[in-house]
Parts: sequence; structure tokens; C-alpha cells
Amino acid sequence: KAGVTQTPRYLIKTRGQQVTLSCSPISGHRSVSWYQQTPGQGLQFLFEYFSETQRNKGNFPGRFSGRQFSNSRSEMNVSTLELGDSALYLCASSLAAGVGEQYFGPGTRLTVT
Amino acid sequence: GESVGLHLPTLSVQEGDNSIINCAYSNSASDYFIWYKQESGKGPQFIIDIRSNMDKRQGQRVTVLLNKTVKHLSLQIAATQPGDSAVYFCAEKGTGNQFYFGTGTSLTVIP
Repeated sequence: KAGVTQTPRYLIKTRGQQVTLSCSPISGHRSVSWYQQTPGQGLQFLFEYFSETQRNKGNFPGRFSGRQFSNSRSEMNVSTLELGDSALYLCASSLAAGVGEQYFGPGTRLTVT
Repeated sequence: GESVGLHLPTLSVQEGDNSIINCAYSNSASDYFIWYKQESGKGPQFIIDIRSNMDKRQGQRVTVLLNKTVKHLSLQIAATQPGDSAVYFCAEKGTGNQFYFGTGTSLTVIP
């Protein structure tokens, strides 16, 4: 069974631009969570989607948004990029929202210059 | 909100020795905990989990201990191998069904 895939793996953007990251969960998994990982803050929860609905949201500004499609694939969008948005963005899938193990993808490394 | 802290940011152990990585959590209502391993350039990998109705759970070469009285979690790795070198995170499922992660302990295994 294929694992969680994330595209692109690396991305360089400039301040003020916007970016869209994509995540394909493990087949059969309907919940997708997004995390931001930085050296200083560690792993911080962004949001969780289940059945195309946002179930949970972390403490991030409205510039961070996401959505989930009917095939459980998810995208997250960051608008008006700031230097502090440079991070590894991780996607994790699980069978259902807030239940059981989460399986992480390799992440998208975003660098904002 | 919840905070999850690991006691030591770095840990070095000799190959073959046992490793113990500790984690403190803040929410006494948290009912589910996971340990993850993250190797360089990869996403976190599930190691073992434990629910709050248990004190101990064993996997292959790993044991997780949960002390709810002092809100402490530990991961024990038996006969540590070079391939165990990685950053280890604990995570608790807390308020709003969200997972809160610790900052990680970097384990280095000395051959």
C-alpha cells in the first residue's frame, strides 16, 4: 500500500506570493491533517479535514487555508507569504478524524525569500 | 493550551545499550499518546502508541511507559542500533482532538 505523498517536495517563493501544497493520503484514509514544522516551534497543528469538512483548526492566521476533495486528497494554501512561513509542511493521514495512528508524508520544504 | 516537553533535546548512547527518552505532558485529560521517529529528510514515522487506560505497552525493541500521576511518558529502546539515530517526538491527543507534539529529542547512537 502506497504511503502518504506530498507535492512538491521543495518550493522557493518570495514574500507576498501565495503557494498551494498537495497531499494524497493512504488509500482508504479519509482524514488528513496538516502540520508546520520549524526548528524553533517544532510540529504545530494547522488543520484537519475529514469527509471534505474542516474538523479542527490550529492557531494560525487566516492566510493559511485548506480543503479536501471527495477522493480525500487535500491541499493547503498560504497567501501573502512571509519569511516566517519558511518551514517543512507535513501532511498526515488516518482512517478517521482524531482516531488512531497518523501516517506522515515526507513533507514539503517551503523557503520564503 | 497543551504543552508537551521532552526532558533532553539530545541523547547519545553506545550501540547495544538501552535508550530512554522522556516526555512530560500538561493535559491530564489527554487519553492517547504516540511516539514518532523522524529521520533526516523524512516525515515522522509511527513507533508505538498507548492509551490512558494502560501504563505500559511493548513493541519490537520498544516499550512505552505512561505515568498519569505525574503526566510523564517515556520511550525505551532496547539494544540501540545505529539505525535508531533520529529525532524522537511524543504527541498527546488533547483539547479538540488535536495532537500536540513535543519539541523532540535527537538520539545519536555511537558505534
